[in-house]
Amino acid sequence: EDQVTQSPEALRLQEGESSSLNCSYTVSGLRGLFWYRQDPGKGPEFLFTLYSAGEEKEKERLKATLTKKESFLHITAPKPEDSATYLCAVQGKESQGNLIFGKGTKLSVKP
Amino acid sequence: NAGVTQTPKFQVLKTGQSMTLQCAQDMNHNSMYWYRQDPGMGLRLIYYSASEGTTDKGEVPNGYNVSRLNKREFSLRLESAAPSQTSVYFCASRRDGVFPGELFFGEGSRLTVL
Repeated sequence: EDQVTQSPEALRLQEGESSSLNCSYTVSGLRGLFWYRQDPGKGPEFLFTLYSAGEEKEKERLKATLTKKESFLHITAPKPEDSATYLCAVQGKESQGNLIFGKGTKLSVKP
Repeated sequence: NAGVTQTPKFQVLKTGQSMTLQCAQDMNHNSMYWYRQDPGMGLRLIYYSASEGTTDKGEVPNGYNVSRLNKREFSLRLESAAPSQTSVYFCASRRDGVFPGELFFGEGSRLTVL
């Protein structure tokens, strides 16, 4: 059974304090790993797709990396506007195109 | 720039009442999905439709029915609402291709069943 576990559940940072969010996964043949950002009262917003181990993607202060067992979302010098819940999801070869989501990491960045 | 549009945004029902959540996308995507999101549970797939005229069950289909009315629209129906169906419901669509594409989500429909 495909599974996604995100840690920590919540993370509080000071503005400028860099850190990483973790997404561990078990999947029968990874076809893609996805990161989303979700603001309160909104739908998830796509950030990155990673397809194979060793791949990295960057967007502003965010950088996503992928290994065979986990993905990290690195946040460099975060700002208060980076506060949100970050969701990780995977698609496996047996999933018929469906994504399995983790429970998310709620990030709070204080000025 | 509408993307995925869901209606209604908020709804309160009494136990046993029925209702339909509507979803429409204007990105010409084949695949559409209904998820529910509950505190501490993450997003769970209710039903999905890989193309017009086809629907399949996801992880938590009990108590729901869906209709893929055409390529744009995918509705979710609760025939006899229960308090356990209090949740936030998200519709999503996705382009198809060799590499799996990202999901595009609507803003959500917040349902309370009393």
